Amino acid sequence: DAKTTQPPSMDCAEGRAANLPCNHSTISGNEYVYWYRQIHSQGPQYIIHGLKNNETNEMASLIITEDRKSSTLILPHATLRDTAVYYCIVRVENDYKLSFGAGTTVTVRA
Amino acid sequence: DVKVTQSSRYLVKRTGEKVFLECVQDMDHENMFWYRQDPGLGLRLIYFSYDVKMKEKGDIPEGYSVSREKKERFSLILESASTNQTSMYLCASSSPGRGRTEAFFGQGTRLTVV
Repeated sequence: DAKTTQPPSMDCAEGRAANLPCNHSTISGNEYVYWYRQIHSQGPQYIIHGLKNNETNEMASLIITEDRKSSTLILPHATLRDTAVYYCIVRVENDYKLSFGAGTTVTVRA
Repeated sequence: DVKVTQSSRYLVKRTGEKVFLECVQDMDHENMFWYRQDPGLGLRLIYFSYDVKMKEKGDIPEGYSVSREKKERFSLILESASTNQTSMYLCASSSPGRGRTEAFFGQGTRLTVV
């Protein structure tokens, strides 16, 4: 069963913010929201994760709704190198298993 | 920076051959994983290991075995390669416990079995 729902694809203009939505309506209280991305022909790369508070790091910001049923990954100034498949995953923090869905294919256009 | 290194980017093997895929990580991580990635099926966990000489089956272990003799090295073995094992294979490592427990992935090995 898919724990998250993401749009299959989206385009973004270079230099603009990219807002990637994710629905996780059945998330449990001890499950975190993780985001990874996979650039073509490379392994997945960790971006950010959070439990209920908004998080920011050097790559992105994560906004989690108050009811935790959805979240948005924000790439503040998208570049061509951000073109990738972005995966939203929910998991208990120490759970070894990472279950990847189909993700969102983000294409950044010049 | 954490580095997870897979021994080959591309491999071509014949049906029936015994195939070894090697993975080394340099961050002293306890957990190591092997996934395969196929179009339309996403990443699927084959095996993982949480300690030296310890292993557990993932979702699709059939046709594979693993070996972890040293903490930094995790090997995936295809006992008798078949064409349906043609795939991208990804190794990952992580550290258990609270805090930063994200997985770090290698660059992948694209295996073709002919």
